[in-house]
Amino acid sequence: EDQVTQSPEALRLQEGESSSLNCSYTVSGLRGLFWYRQDPGKGPEFLFTLYSAGEEKEKERLKATLTKKESFLHITAPKPEDSATYLCAFILTGGGNKLTFGTGTQLKVEL
Amino acid sequence: KAGVTQTPRYLIKTRGQQVTLSCSPISGHRSVSWYQQTPGQGLQFLFEYFSETQRNKGNFPGRFSGRQFSNSRSEMNVSTLELGDSALYLCASSLDAGPTDTQYFGPGTRLTVL
Repeated sequence: EDQVTQSPEALRLQEGESSSLNCSYTVSGLRGLFWYRQDPGKGPEFLFTLYSAGEEKEKERLKATLTKKESFLHITAPKPEDSATYLCAFILTGGGNKLTFGTGTQLKVEL
Repeated sequence: KAGVTQTPRYLIKTRGQQVTLSCSPISGHRSVSWYQQTPGQGLQFLFEYFSETQRNKGNFPGRFSGRQFSNSRSEMNVSTLELGDSALYLCASSLDAGPTDTQYFGPGTRLTVL
């Protein structure tokens, strides 16, 4: 069965303390791996799409990487405003636009 | 460019009633998908519409249905509401012009079933 697992479930960092979030997947026919950020009571906000192993994308303090089995979201020198739930999701070949989501990592960045 | 809009933002219904939620996609986007988000199950795919046709369906009972209009706006309907239907219902739209399109989400409709 195609599935995705995120770890850790929750992460507490001090401002400036870099870390990584993990998204492990077991799928056949990966078409794309997505990262979203979700603030409480709001819809997910798109961050990155990765298509093939070895690909990397960056945006401000965030960098997403992809291997054949997992994806990492690296957060460099985080700030309190980076606090949110980070979700990864995949789309399969032949799966239309159906996104299958992991359960997310709840990140809290403290001063 | 305006984002995805969903109405209403909040709804309170009682068991057995039915509800209709509305989604207006980003201008020019042709694909609309619906998701249910609950604390226990996370984000789960309901269905996807493209050119007024359901293209994909998740594992939800037939009480959940949807449709898409010629202007790409979409509605979803839940009949005979159950307590477990309380959730945040999210709509996402995409251009559907390439192999992997980005889906942009709306703010959601918070449904509470009493």
